[in-house]
Amino acid sequence: GAVVSQHPSWVICKSGTSVKIECRSLDFQATTMFWYRQFPKQSLMLMATSNEGSKATYEQGVEKDKFLINHASLTLSTLTVTSAHPEDSSFYICSARDPIRVQETQYFGPGTRLLVL
Amino acid sequence: GQNIDQPTEMTATEGAIVQINCTYQTSGFNGLFWYQQHAGEAPTFLSYNVLDGLEEKGRFSSFLSRSKGYSYLLLKELQMKDSASYLCAVRATDSWGKLQFGAGTQVVVTP
Repeated sequence: GAVVSQHPSWVICKSGTSVKIECRSLDFQATTMFWYRQFPKQSLMLMATSNEGSKATYEQGVEKDKFLINHASLTLSTLTVTSAHPEDSSFYICSARDPIRVQETQYFGPGTRLLVL
Repeated sequence: GQNIDQPTEMTATEGAIVQINCTYQTSGFNGLFWYQQHAGEAPTFLSYNVLDGLEEKGRFSSFLSRSKGYSYLLLKELQMKDSASYLCAVRATDSWGKLQFGAGTQVVVTP
């Protein structure tokens, strides 16, 4: 089946630093990837839609200058949390849509747990 | 507005059957997905419905009624490993196929 990887799986950083998270589709080309954030015991909240070769589309309330998204190739999207603060601590999950499969299902990466001290 | 409702928690015993209901009111509809999410892990795809009716996949089945804005996920022959959160998600009609998720139903399977 479709495989999506994320790196790193865990990151701890100091307040004010920037953190980059990578999302890769390993066995298919994903023109569209999605970034979600999930707080404990809550559902997934879509942050932005990342399209290869174009600017990301952000959901209402998500600061595009704080959460920088780059979808440089058909298999890689990156999310950079700039000037991270403790309130940015969360579980960040990416997904990639496989356009070839009939259902165009979104497949999720394993997630990145971010802790900002 | 957009609204997806599912129960917060359900408890059932090993070997039993549990049905998780999901109702939705969304501005567009292009399919409904069910995902399973174990604590601390990412969601894994379980099922997809876009037409009315029942889709069966082993111990899991999913049903959709578009006119009622209603779906359910049926888990049969429950196993301890089925203890997880089950997320109902509706796909929008935009070109990117965004998913809107419900809050999830925590299923607890007891011995």
